[in-house]
Amino acid sequence: GAGVSQSPRYKVAKRGQDVALRCDPISGHVSLFWYQQALGQGPEFLTYFQNEAQLDKSGLPSDRFFAERPEGSVSTLKIQRTQQEDSAVYLCASSATGTSGKPSYEQYFGPGTRLTVT
Amino acid sequence: GNSVTQMEGPVTLSEEAFLTINCTYTATGYPSLFWYVQYPGEGLQLLLKATKADDKGSNKGFEATYRKETTSFHLEKGSVQVSDSAVYFCALRKYNFNKFYFGSGTKLNVKP
Repeated sequence: GAGVSQSPRYKVAKRGQDVALRCDPISGHVSLFWYQQALGQGPEFLTYFQNEAQLDKSGLPSDRFFAERPEGSVSTLKIQRTQQEDSAVYLCASSATGTSGKPSYEQYFGPGTRLTVT
Repeated sequence: GNSVTQMEGPVTLSEEAFLTINCTYTATGYPSLFWYVQYPGEGLQLLLKATKADDKGSNKGFEATYRKETTSFHLEKGSVQVSDSAVYFCALRKYNFNKFYFGSGTKLNVKP
């Protein structure tokens, strides 16, 4: 079946521009996550949705970052007034369950959007 | 806090060599531990997992044992193949929390 898809795969933005990154999770998946992966580093958590509710946004680096999932499926990560330090790969992941207590909980990742701010 | 430390790469091996990629973690409580793999041009894929102490996760010839006493989850494979060339990420998730913490990744190059 279809996995997690993200668009665009590559985005070049001039400093100060706004960007919007889209994530289509696996159909029916309750949980959705955004991660930021800097070059040579592991993914770092940005935010988490359970259905349409944003339950954790503790990883968003500044108020220029905003995420939404209005209908509990597709999600958009928006970055306003982009800065060079925002250059990274942005990963989206989804998971079937919203029950955080399950120890075998697994996330399925999309291919990522590589954002370059010039 | 919660964190994962992996050995730095790249690791370069010849085909059929033995592989170990070290991973240690810091966490309170009893986290679940994971290894993810990222092949060139693809997204992260779950390779294996272990949810409690002394559990061994295994998949595609790879193994890792959850060692609480040494807070480690080292990845091993007895005989690597060229197709195993990828970046490997160790990760933890605390019980009852949804957030994953990843290591910085270890690039593996396997030469024929």
